[in-house]
Amino acid sequence: AQTVTQSQPEMSVQEAETVTLSCTYDTSESDYYLFWYKQPPSRQMILVIRQEAYKQQNATENRFSVNFQKAAKSFSLKISDSQLGDAAMYFCAYRSSNAGGTSYGKLTFGQGTILTVHP
Amino acid sequence: GAGVSQSPSNKVTEKGKDVELRCDPISGHTALYWYRQSLGQGLEFLIYFQGNSAPDKSGLPSDRFSAERTGGSVSTLTIQRTQQEDSAVYLCASSSAVPNEQFFGPGTRLTVL
Repeated sequence: AQTVTQSQPEMSVQEAETVTLSCTYDTSESDYYLFWYKQPPSRQMILVIRQEAYKQQNATENRFSVNFQKAAKSFSLKISDSQLGDAAMYFCAYRSSNAGGTSYGKLTFGQGTILTVHP
Repeated sequence: GAGVSQSPSNKVTEKGKDVELRCDPISGHTALYWYRQSLGQGLEFLIYFQGNSAPDKSGLPSDRFSAERTGGSVSTLTIQRTQQEDSAVYLCASSSAVPNEQFFGPGTRLTVL
């Protein structure tokens, strides 16, 4: 079974600064997807960024980028130029690409990191 | 509707009662997922439906939990004889197909007294 670990229960950052959220995972599969989701107080999970394991290039979406280290099974999220609207709970998630496997389709989430942005 | 909707937004019930939680997926999405978010267990998968295939129920925590999806659209998650440990936020998501991005609803917060 796959596991996802976020070791930082809480992080804080000053507005306009950069913050990095950590995530490690464990899997025996070679092909999979990794995601970062944002959950504001409204509870609605919003996809921030995704990474396909077979791609060596790190994904970027505007101010959000990842550092994907496949061998180390590490997947950190960097938020640049932090804004007040970035304050939320952030979840790292894993999804198998193996259509015949028991984990196909399911997202496995980490415990989450609460990000506070100070003005 | 533009997104996934869930009802009710909040539900308070007494221990031992049955509850039904509803999810309306994005129109045309063939895959539908239920997750549970609780303080003790974090975010965990419960069940998913894909088209006419048999649902994957491997995440349901006990036989008190069941779900159905009628007409390939709306889904209902039923919890029988609720217990206090069932208190959580129940999130529903849908995707155009299993490998594709999952879009989440706002969740139902269930409180069992």
